[in-house]
Amino acid sequence: GAVVSQHPSWVICKSGTSVKIECRSLDFQATTMFWYRQFPKQSLMLMATSNEGSKATYEQGVEKDKFLINHASLTLSTLTVTSAHPEDSSFYICSAHDRYGYGYTFGSGTRLTVV
Amino acid sequence: AQSVTQLGSHVSVSEGALVLLRCNYSSSVPPYLFWYVQYPNQGLQLLLKYTSAATLVKGINGFEAEFKKSETSFHLTKPSAHMSDAAEYFCAVSEGGAAGNKLTFGGGTRVLVKP
Repeated sequence: GAVVSQHPSWVICKSGTSVKIECRSLDFQATTMFWYRQFPKQSLMLMATSNEGSKATYEQGVEKDKFLINHASLTLSTLTVTSAHPEDSSFYICSAHDRYGYGYTFGSGTRLTVV
Repeated sequence: AQSVTQLGSHVSVSEGALVLLRCNYSSSVPPYLFWYVQYPNQGLQLLLKYTSAATLVKGINGFEAEFKKSETSFHLTKPSAHMSDAAEYFCAVSEGGAAGNKLTFGGGTRVLVKP
C-alpha cells in the first residue's frame, strides 16, 4: 500500500530557531500534499495545500511567512516553521494525495516542542 | 462549504459489544466520505471510504459504514469491539465531492473499550 514517511517524529527546539519537517511518498507520486496541525484532544486543522511545482495555498489565519511549504517534487514536501515560538508547539501531520487511486495517505506526524 | 459533525466526543463500549460512531455531513454536491482512526501520537489510518459506489462500505478491521443520502449520514459500525479498537476516530468529507480536494474533518470521537 501507499506509505508516507514523515520525519522527524518528534523535535525539540529553542525559541527563535527554525525547524524543517519532511514528508516523502515512498511508492507513489503525491500530486497534492496537505499539511495539518493538531492540538491535544482536538481534530485536524488544515494549514495549507500544495501541488507539485506550485506555491502552496494557505488557509485563512495561517501565516505563510512563518510556515514555509515547499513541494519541489512529486515525492517530497517540506514544512519549515520559522522563528518558532512556544505557541507553535503542536502535532503536525502531512497527507499526500495521488491521482491513481491511493487516495489520501497520512504521515505518522511530528511532535514539535518549542522551549 | 462542507461540514462534518460527529455526535459524541467520547464513546465507551464493552469488549464484544457493538461499536457505533455517528457522522453527519453537509455538502452541496455528492460527497466523498472517509473514516480514519488515529492512535496516540500517530498519523491517521484509513478505515474505509465512500466514493459514490455501493452505499454499504466495508473497511479494515471489521468496520463498515453506510451512506444514507436522505439522512446525510455516514455512521461507522463494528459488530464486536476489541480492546485494540480503543482510539480516536475521525469522519471526513472531501470538498467538492471530488478526490484530491481538501478534507474537512469532524471533531473526532474517542472510543474507550472496557474489558
